[in-house]
Amino acid sequence: DTEVTQTPKHLVMGMTNKKSLKCEQHMGHRAMYWYKQKAKKPPELMFVYSYEKLSINESVPSRFSPECPNSSLLNLHLHALQPEDSALYLCASSQVGSQELFFGSGTQLSVL
Amino acid sequence: KNEVEQSPQNLTAQEGEFITINCSYSVGISALHWLQQHPGGGIVSLFMLSSGKKKHGRLIATINIQEKHSSLHITASHPRDSAVYICAVPLYYGGSQGNLIFGKGTKLSVKP
Repeated sequence: DTEVTQTPKHLVMGMTNKKSLKCEQHMGHRAMYWYKQKAKKPPELMFVYSYEKLSINESVPSRFSPECPNSSLLNLHLHALQPEDSALYLCASSQVGSQELFFGSGTQLSVL
Repeated sequence: KNEVEQSPQNLTAQEGEFITINCSYSVGISALHWLQQHPGGGIVSLFMLSSGKKKHGRLIATINIQEKHSSLHITASHPRDSAVYICAVPLYYGGSQGNLIFGKGTKLSVKP
């Protein structure tokens, strides 16, 4: 199994809603990442988890709250988002120390 | 801090043509990634290379470390190759995995 599975594929939420994005992999990877990609722009790194611990936070607003409850699962909790947060949110994973990343298909988020 | 330049930004080809996409970066790297993204979709990793040349089916990737340049070639192009092709390198020389800087992408359209 070389897949990174992201759910949901699409999400529409209001600015007062609380929602979560989920990412799962069963490749034994202990590094997991969240990226944000605006339309027609390259992805931007948001968070990196290594051995289930947050190792990089690229100055992301607190309305985005990551969580890595176990080595296979990565969540991104969303609260009080703004319309400008509408984007494709990509999850990726890798072996720790490896540059070879495996990407999920993303969650397309629309904030109304 | 690395910077990545890709060319061309847009490329239209006829089915069967040989295609070349170029990537230049400014700082030494441990590995360079070529990625593929279909419209509205997630990212697929095509190659990760640190020297020489790699081939997978009709795709060939080359890198010249001294010249800080890489190329992605597609032989006998097909309409299903239509996608955005993205070059990515570590943000910093010796940077940790996942902390990548992405090129702006080359949008390829192959006409039947």
